[in-house]
Amino acid sequence: KAGVTQTPRYLIKTRGQQVTLSCSPISGHRSVSWYQQTPGQGLQFLFEYFSETQRNKGNFPGRFSGRQFSNSRSEMNVSTLELGDSALYLCASSWAVGGGATTQYFGPGTRLTVL
Amino acid sequence: DQQVKQNSPSLSVQEGRISILNCDYTNSMFDYFLWYKKYPAEGPTFLISISSIKDKNEDGRFTVFLNKSAKHLSLHIVPSQPGDSAVYFCAAISANAGGTSYGKLTFGQGTILTVHP
Repeated sequence: KAGVTQTPRYLIKTRGQQVTLSCSPISGHRSVSWYQQTPGQGLQFLFEYFSETQRNKGNFPGRFSGRQFSNSRSEMNVSTLELGDSALYLCASSWAVGGGATTQYFGPGTRLTVL
Repeated sequence: DQQVKQNSPSLSVQEGRISILNCDYTNSMFDYFLWYKKYPAEGPTFLISISSIKDKNEDGRFTVFLNKSAKHLSLHIVPSQPGDSAVYFCAAISANAGGTSYGKLTFGQGTILTVHP
C-alpha cells in the first residue's frame, strides 16, 4: 500500500505571497492532520479534516487554512507569508472512523522557505 | 504549557546495549501514546503505540511501557543498532474525547539517539 505523499517537497516563496501544499493520504484513510515543525516550537498541530469537514484546529492565525476533497486528499494554504512561516509542513493520515485510537502515518513533508 | 515532555535532549548508547527513552505527560485525558522515529527533513516514522488500558506493548526490538499513575512512558530498544540513530518523538492524543482532540497529536521535543558501533 502506498504511503502518504506530499507535494511539492521543497518550496521557496517571498514575504507576502501565498502557498498551497498538497497531501494524498494512505488509501482508505479518511482523516488528514497537518503539522508544522520548526526548530523553536517543535511539532505543532495545525488542523484535522475528516470527510471534507474540519473537525479541529490548532492555535494558528487565520492565514493558515485547509480543505479536504471527496477522495480524502487535502490541501493547506498559507496566505500573506511571513518569514516565521518557514518550516517543515507535515501531513498525516489515519483510519479514524468514528473516533477512537488510531495511528497517524506521516508523509515526507514539504520544506517551505520564506525569503 | 508543554503537556508532553522529553527531558533528555540526547542519549548515547553502545551497539548491542539497551536504549531507554523517556517521556512524561501532564494531561490525564491522554489515552493513546505513540513513538515515532525521525530523520532531518523527513516525516516521522511510526514505531509503536500503546493504549492507556495497557501497561506494556512489544514489537520486535521495541517495547513501550506506560505508567499511568506516574504519567510516564518509556521506549526500550534492545539490542540497539547503529541504524537506530535518529530523533525519537513521543506523542499523545485524547483519542476518545472528540471535539478539540480530533486528530491532534501532542508531541514532546524529541530525544536524539546515537548508537555507536
